[in-house]
Amino acid sequence: NAGVTQTPKFRVLKTGQSMTLLCAQDMNHEYMYWYRQDPGMGLRLIHYSVGEGTTAKGEVPDGYNVSRLKKQNFLLGLESAAPSQTSVYFCASSYSGLAGEVGIQYFGAGTRLSVL
Amino acid sequence: SQQGEEDPQALSIQEGENATMNCSYKTSINNLQWYRQNSGRGLVHLILIRSNEREKHSGRLRVTLDTSKKSSSLLITASRAADTASYFCATFLNQAGTALIFGKGTTLSVSS
Repeated sequence: NAGVTQTPKFRVLKTGQSMTLLCAQDMNHEYMYWYRQDPGMGLRLIHYSVGEGTTAKGEVPDGYNVSRLKKQNFLLGLESAAPSQTSVYFCASSYSGLAGEVGIQYFGAGTRLSVL
Repeated sequence: SQQGEEDPQALSIQEGENATMNCSYKTSINNLQWYRQNSGRGLVHLILIRSNEREKHSGRLRVTLDTSKKSSSLLITASRAADTASYFCATFLNQAGTALIFGKGTTLSVSS
């Protein structure tokens, strides 16, 4: 069982470069999420999606864009990378509960991004 | 910030001792979740407690929830070295409850 797969696992960018992080889940989950984790800061929600074709802003959305063209994929884009975006990025997916609330989240292994 | 906040930030104990971590939150919830993260890995779900539950057990884990105080606690009994990890509580981003946000976590070190 693959679960949640993130690609790439590591990436080094120069300031101003762009890139896309890919998250794929094979659990048929409606909800998908992108978080970043910095030392001493815990996880912070960047963007999320409650279904194909929908996205919403999280706690720290600036400098990122997302797309959910297929139910199983959630893409995170950095249009012009900055050193402040050096972080570990985690993708997660979840089923929706009876009232539409988020259920248990399943996480990918993370992408370590360095912006020089 | 609407984050849940864990307390303490760090905890060091000996094998066999109990570890208690606390979480406070701000938004209304219908469930609260606890996750564990081993160094360099993704988060793994531990336990979910619903707002109409006051206590829940799973193996050596015991979670309590007090919605009137907007607080929860995670107790790990008879700790083992393998329990060394960071522990996070997760609460709702907003009233819609379609996204989780996490606190900064409690780093637990269990020495043998």
